[in-house]
Amino acid sequence: SQELEQSPQSLIVQEGKNLTINCTSSKTLYGLYWYKQKYGEGLIFLMMLQKGGEEKSHEKITAKLDEKKQQSSLHITASQPSHAGIYLCGADFPISGNTPLVFGKGTRLSVIA
Amino acid sequence: DTEVTQTPKHLVMGMTNKKSLKCEQHMGHRAMYWYKQKAKKPPELMFVYSYEKLSINESVPSRFSPECPNSSLLNLHLHALQPEDSALYLCASSLLPPRADDGGSEAFFGQGTRLTVV
Repeated sequence: SQELEQSPQSLIVQEGKNLTINCTSSKTLYGLYWYKQKYGEGLIFLMMLQKGGEEKSHEKITAKLDEKKQQSSLHITASQPSHAGIYLCGADFPISGNTPLVFGKGTRLSVIA
Repeated sequence: DTEVTQTPKHLVMGMTNKKSLKCEQHMGHRAMYWYKQKAKKPPELMFVYSYEKLSINESVPSRFSPECPNSSLLNLHLHALQPEDSALYLCASSLLPPRADDGGSEAFFGQGTRLTVV
C-alpha cells in the first residue's frame, strides 16, 4: 500500500529543546512535503523536497530527504510554543499516472513553556 | 497571494438537506483538490480537478458531487448526507496537476469547512 509512516505519533518537549520528526515510505517518493496544522484548521505549507539528499531550512525548521528518497526528517531547533501543532508529511505516489498528495498520520507536537 | 478561501467555515445540515461548499483561489493554479479529514486523522483525498476536468475520484459516494465551474472555483455539492460524513472538508490547489513524471508542486490549503450532519 502507498503509506507514509510518521514517528513519533505525539511529542511533548520543553521550550528551547530540539526535536526531530520522521517520515518513512516503503517506496521511492517523487516529492515529499511537510505541512503544519493547528487543530481544526487548514494545512500550512512548510517545505517541499524533491531531490535525494536535499535539505531545506526555514527559520528554525530544517527538513531533509535521504538519498533513496524514502525517508525524511523534520528538525526543529530551540522549540517555541508557536511550534505546537500537528505536523504532517505528504508525498506524491503514482496512481494511474497521477500523483495526488497523500499524508502520513501526523505528529502532534506540544511545547511546554 | 497564496490564499485558498473556503466558505462557509462552519455548516450544520440535516440528512435531507442540500448544501454546497465553495473554494476559491486566484493564484492561477490549474489543479484543485477536495480532502476530507476526520478528527485525529490525516486528510484523505476525495477528488482532483486538473484543468477544470475531474481527473481523480477516490471512490467517493455519489452524495458528494464536485463541480469546477472555472479555473478559480471549486464546489462540493452535498445531498442526503449521513452523520458519519461529519468532518473537516479541506480544499487545496497547486500550480500544476500531479504527474507521474515529475515531483509535483506544493499544494496550498484553505482553512476548511467544519461540517456537521444531524
